[in-house]
Amino acid sequence: NAGVTQTPKFRVLKTGQSMTLLCAQDMNHEYMYWYRQDPGMGLRLIHYSVGEGTTAKGEVPDGYNVSRLKKQNFLLGLESAAPSQTSVYFCASSYYPNQPQHFGDGTRLSIL
Amino acid sequence: SQQGEEDPQALSIQEGENATMNCSYKTSINNLQWYRQNSGRGLVHLILIRSNEREKHSGRLRVTLDTSKKSSSLLITASRAADTASYFCASNTGNQFYFGTGTSLTVIP
Repeated sequence: NAGVTQTPKFRVLKTGQSMTLLCAQDMNHEYMYWYRQDPGMGLRLIHYSVGEGTTAKGEVPDGYNVSRLKKQNFLLGLESAAPSQTSVYFCASSYYPNQPQHFGDGTRLSIL
Repeated sequence: SQQGEEDPQALSIQEGENATMNCSYKTSINNLQWYRQNSGRGLVHLILIRSNEREKHSGRLRVTLDTSKKSSSLLITASRAADTASYFCASNTGNQFYFGTGTSLTVIP
C-alpha cells in the first residue's frame, strides 16, 4: 500500500517552460488536493477535486491548471513557469473533506 | 488570506519537557486538525478536533479548541528527540483546508 505518490521528486525548469506534476493515490479517496509550501507561509491550497472529472480553485490557483481524469490520479500543470512558482508542491487525498488528509512526500520545483 | 498563524515560530526544549504550540484561525470551522512534518517529508495527520469539542487526547497529545477565540493549542507531553519536527494546524471549512504557518520544534536529547 503506497498511499500517495508524487512524481517527479525534483525538477528544475527554465522560465516559460511547461510541466506536469503527477499525484497518484491507491486508497480509493474521493478528494484530492494540491498545495504549495513556501518558507514561512505554511501550505496554501492551489486546486482541489471532489471526485473523478471535477476540479475547483483553491486559495492560489493562478498560473496552474489541474485535471482528474481518473479517480486515483490528480495532475497539476504549469503552462508557462515563472520564478514565483519555485516551491515545494504537495498532493494530498482524503475520503471526505472533513477527514484527515494523507500527503505525498512532495515535489521540489525550481524555476530559473 | 485565510491562512492561520501559529506561535511560537520555533521552540527548543529538553527531552522529557512538555511542548505547547498555539494556532489561530480566521473562519468558522467544521474541525481543526494538527499535522506533523519531518524535514524533507510530507505532512502526517496527528489529531482532529471537531468544532463542538473543547478538548481531545491521543497518547501524549492533548488538543484544545476555543471557537469563540478562533484558537487551538497542541500539547506534547514528555517530549522525545523523535518529536523534533514542524507542526501545523489546519482549519477545515467545507471542502477546503487553511494551514497555519507552523511551529518548528526541536527536542534536545
